[in-house]
Amino acid sequence: DIVLTQAPLSVSVTPGESASISCRSSKSLLSSKGITSLYWYLQKPGKSPQLLIYRMSNLASGVPDRFSGSGSETDFTLKISKVETEDVGVYYCAQFLEYPYTFGAGTKLELK
Amino acid sequence: EVQLVESGGGLVKPGSSLKLSCVASGFTFSSYGMHWIRQAPKKGLEWIALIYYDSSNKYYADSVKGRFTISRDNSKNTLYLEMNSLRSEDTAMYYCAKGRGDAWGQGASVTVSS
Repeated sequence: DIVLTQAPLSVSVTPGESASISCRSSKSLLSSKGITSLYWYLQKPGKSPQLLIYRMSNLASGVPDRFSGSGSETDFTLKISKVETEDVGVYYCAQFLEYPYTFGAGTKLELK
Repeated sequence: EVQLVESGGGLVKPGSSLKLSCVASGFTFSSYGMHWIRQAPKKGLEWIALIYYDSSNKYYADSVKGRFTISRDNSKNTLYLEMNSLRSEDTAMYYCAKGRGDAWGQGASVTVSS
């Protein structure tokens, strides 16, 4: 199975500052079609997860452009510029390249 | 507006069965693969099953293979998860999700306890 390792597991950010979350894959997530199947989700407290970024760097519909995704074949970063109070929650990376699909352990973002 | 609404959760004893449903609206259900993803209390997300748009292929996590069955009825815009031989470790919130997780339901709570 593909293992996704997120770091840090917890981050505390001052509103208005930026935050970065890393996700490292045990295997390349680049498909033969040239698509990198790495996704980012945010689960706000008490809510269902919501899609933020698809295919490593594409912003999902309705997601503020404060969020951005980047990376290579195995190392990925979610960056949140100018963190707002509504960004609090747990961030998960996920891979949809191979079965079984897998998620990272999650990174909890809190405000200072 | 895309909506996914799960139902069928509850409290059951170990070894028993349960069937979850997920009714979809706001998109062409028959055009999308659908997933079941669960989250144990205070834990992270675990993908457990996928069904193709036309039911031609189904995939499962090892943790549920042979016990859980994913199915769909495109005429009813409904996704199902039949769960047999339930164990305490199956206790979780069960979410249905569309496509690549671009929409999720509110979840159905399943508790397996004697």
